[in-house]
Amino acid sequence: AQTVTQSQPEMSVQEAETVTLSCTYDTSENNYYLFWYKQPPSRQMILVIRQEAYKQQNATENRFSVNFQKAAKSFSLKISDSQLGDTAMYFCAFIWVNTPLVFGKGTRLSVIA
Amino acid sequence: GAVVSQHPSRVICKSGTSVKIECRSLDFQATTMFWYRQFPKQSLMLMATSNEGSKATYEQGVEKDKFLINHASLTLSTLTVTSAHPEDSSFYICSARGGWDTEAFFGQGTRLTVV
Repeated sequence: AQTVTQSQPEMSVQEAETVTLSCTYDTSENNYYLFWYKQPPSRQMILVIRQEAYKQQNATENRFSVNFQKAAKSFSLKISDSQLGDTAMYFCAFIWVNTPLVFGKGTRLSVIA
Repeated sequence: GAVVSQHPSRVICKSGTSVKIECRSLDFQATTMFWYRQFPKQSLMLMATSNEGSKATYEQGVEKDKFLINHASLTLSTLTVTSAHPEDSSFYICSARGGWDTEAFFGQGTRLTVV
């Protein structure tokens, strides 16, 4: 079974600074997708970034980028120039074939002014 | 991104009554929909997976007679909490996907309070 581990329950960062959220996963599959979702206080789940396992290039979306290490099964999220609106729960998620998303337990990020 | 609409956003019901929550994909056909339950400060817990036109697949420990799921069309799935009790009070979120290799899009969630 696939598992996703987020080892940092809570993190904080100063506004405008950079923060990295960790995620590791366990799978024996080769082709899969990884995601980072953000859940702000409104509780709406918002896709932040996705990574296809067959792509070696790390995905980037504006201030958000990932460090995807397939051999190490690591998928960290870097947020640059942190903004107050980045305060949220962040969930790392994995998907393979036609299976449901497997979520990590989440990291609560607080951006401090 | 694609839009998934979940309704209602909040509902309060009396113990013993039933509540229906709707999840609609507005601009794409959702071959698969998922229902999650989320407790405060915790991750999403998958309750069931439904494919259009077939019976839902429930996760272990989820009572299928209490949480009735119907996926009658490619754009609509419903979750009915039958004979609700206070312990069913929670935040319920639906998710829809057009294909396995696409990201899942989420509804806004429903906060259910059973009094």
